[in-house]
Amino acid sequence: GAVVSQHPSRVICKSGTSVKIECRSLDFQATTMFWYRQFPKKSLMLMATSNEGSKATYEQGVEKDKFLINHASLTLSTLTVTSAHPEDSSFYICSARSDRELDTQYFGPGTRLTVL
Amino acid sequence: QKEVEQNSGPLSVPEGAIASLNCTYSDRGSQSFFWYRQYSGKSPELIMSIYSNGDKEDGRFTAQLNKASQYVSLLIRDSQPSDSATYLCAVNKILPLSGGYNKLIFGAGTRLAVHP
Repeated sequence: GAVVSQHPSRVICKSGTSVKIECRSLDFQATTMFWYRQFPKKSLMLMATSNEGSKATYEQGVEKDKFLINHASLTLSTLTVTSAHPEDSSFYICSARSDRELDTQYFGPGTRLTVL
Repeated sequence: QKEVEQNSGPLSVPEGAIASLNCTYSDRGSQSFFWYRQYSGKSPELIMSIYSNGDKEDGRFTAQLNKASQYVSLLIRDSQPSDSATYLCAVNKILPLSGGYNKLIFGAGTRLAVHP
């Protein structure tokens, strides 16, 4: 149980394009999902909390117009990196919190984004 | 002071030894604590959760919590080379006046190296 998938696992795009990353909870419902990014040899940085049916809560310093989050169902959240630039290249990881375990997060496998 | 602190390591132990990983936190009101393992290039994987003072054992792993001293530790018995990874300590933080909004605060992680 508690499996979270992410798609795509790896993406390479040109500067200026937008990239959408999907996060799905496969065997549980997740009212809340989280989006993190991680630079090499650094710890996880929480970008935003995604809430089903409502607006995402962004951490300080994260541009909400740059990183669009949609949580349209209890099993799917998407992160769209708009007008990507090379500095957006990073490892993006989502996590989902089961509605039955309100404090435990299960992580997806991550998406490695490279912007040329 | 960081909210969750860990020694970055590397912690080097011989195969078969006990690896001891420590973590301190600053919010005395924290109630939920987690250990995640992260292999290089992969996303974090939940190993243990602990909520009460004392020890919690799961196979070769033992989590220890001391709320009075605000520290959490993870012991890995009979360490194997496959245990070589970065171990992330995470503490659940409930934001006041938020209607229960909570998020995980991660330490920077301790890199463990188990050598044959």
